[in-house]
Amino acid sequence: AQSVAQPEDQVNVAEGNPLTVKCTYSVSGNPYLFWYVQYPNRGLQFLLKYITGDNLVKGSYGFEAEFNKSQTSFHLKKPSALVSDSALYFCAVRGGSYIPTFGRGTSLIVHP
Amino acid sequence: GAGVSQSPSNKVTEKGKDVELRCDPISGHTALYWYRQSLGQGLEFLIYFQGNSAPDKSGLPSDRFSAERTGGSVSTLTIQRTQQEDSAVYLCASSSSRLAGGNEQFFGPGTRLTVL
Repeated sequence: AQSVAQPEDQVNVAEGNPLTVKCTYSVSGNPYLFWYVQYPNRGLQFLLKYITGDNLVKGSYGFEAEFNKSQTSFHLKKPSALVSDSALYFCAVRGGSYIPTFGRGTSLIVHP
Repeated sequence: GAGVSQSPSNKVTEKGKDVELRCDPISGHTALYWYRQSLGQGLEFLIYFQGNSAPDKSGLPSDRFSAERTGGSVSTLTIQRTQQEDSAVYLCASSSSRLAGGNEQFFGPGTRLTVL
């Protein structure tokens, strides 16, 4: 079985400050890890993924995520938040299954 | 290039009616997924198609739900005898199979279903 936990329903950050959206996972074998963003009334958009190799993954819009195998985490980060980053963020994991498991989502609110 | 498209974008129906939701995946993508997203909830997996293989229907919540994929491309999700609890946004996604499990999904804009 595979699972994903996003422990925060909501993250608030001031514009210009660094942001972190947390994700931990459980999977048998090597994980494939993904972050997606959902803007209001839109479908999900792919941000970045970890398959293998470098633990620090860089993605769209200045986001990055660090794969930590010992802590089974894949936290999403950005050095300087923008108001336009405000959206719903989903972490997903695939192990041996072709069907990914998604977290419940974290609402990111960036204040001007 | 064209992304994943879904139609209709909004559907309002009366309880007990049948509805059909359509998904056009990205050309060449062999994998297709349907999800349901209720207000304030995450994504609930419904069904998965991969090429010509038998679909994985393990996420369908009841026998009122069914889906088919014709010619390995367009997919239709059918909900029979709709109930108010079926009200949600239905999302379709497709992905390539080049990297096995490492392929990201491309999502459509969704169909918002409201059952009165």
